[in-house]
Amino acid sequence: AQTIHQWPVAEIKAVGSPLSLGCTIKGKSSPNLYWYWQATGGTLQQLFYSITVGQVESVVQLNLSASRPKDDQFILSTEKLLLSHSGFYLCAWSLGSNERLFFGHGTKLSVL
Amino acid sequence: GQQVQQSPTSLVLQEGENAELQCNFSTSLNSMQWFYQRPGGSLVSVFYNPSGTKQSGRLTSTTVIKERRSSLHISSSQITDSGTYLCAMERSHTNTGKLTFGDGTVLTVKP
Repeated sequence: AQTIHQWPVAEIKAVGSPLSLGCTIKGKSSPNLYWYWQATGGTLQQLFYSITVGQVESVVQLNLSASRPKDDQFILSTEKLLLSHSGFYLCAWSLGSNERLFFGHGTKLSVL
Repeated sequence: GQQVQQSPTSLVLQEGENAELQCNFSTSLNSMQWFYQRPGGSLVSVFYNPSGTKQSGRLTSTTVIKERRSSLHISSSQITDSGTYLCAMERSHTNTGKLTFGDGTVLTVKP
């Protein structure tokens, strides 16, 4: 069975500090991977997607970056956090486009 | 305008009543999904329903791609059904796996 694990569960960070969020998928080789973000009270929106190792496409510009160093790992990061980065970050995987999406449990980020 | 419109915005039911949630899309779509969002924020896939009708227990989803709409029917609602229901679509002619989400319907089931 496939499992998706996100870390950390929650973070409280200062404006201007760096950030790294991680996501690991087990039990599925070469999945499509995605990062989604939801501001408090806002709508979920896709930030990045990756079809294969080493390739990441940006969908929305939020002064964030993403990398896929391994087939089963997806990293979201920034060197300088902004207040507007606060929210809920969700990692997801699918077998391909137009396929069912499965989400991790998410990371709640508070930037103060 | 918003590409995915959900209605109603919120719904309050007595336990045992039925619920009908609607989702309308402003563009042509390849597929759509229904999700349940827990109070903590995590998402659970309820239905992956590109077209037609699917049923799982007390939940039934009907999607009519040509009419760009989908519905989620919850029969005999229970308190544990409370939460936010989100629909999302993948637009036609895209290959990004990008889902565009609606703003959700907040369902409250009271005893």
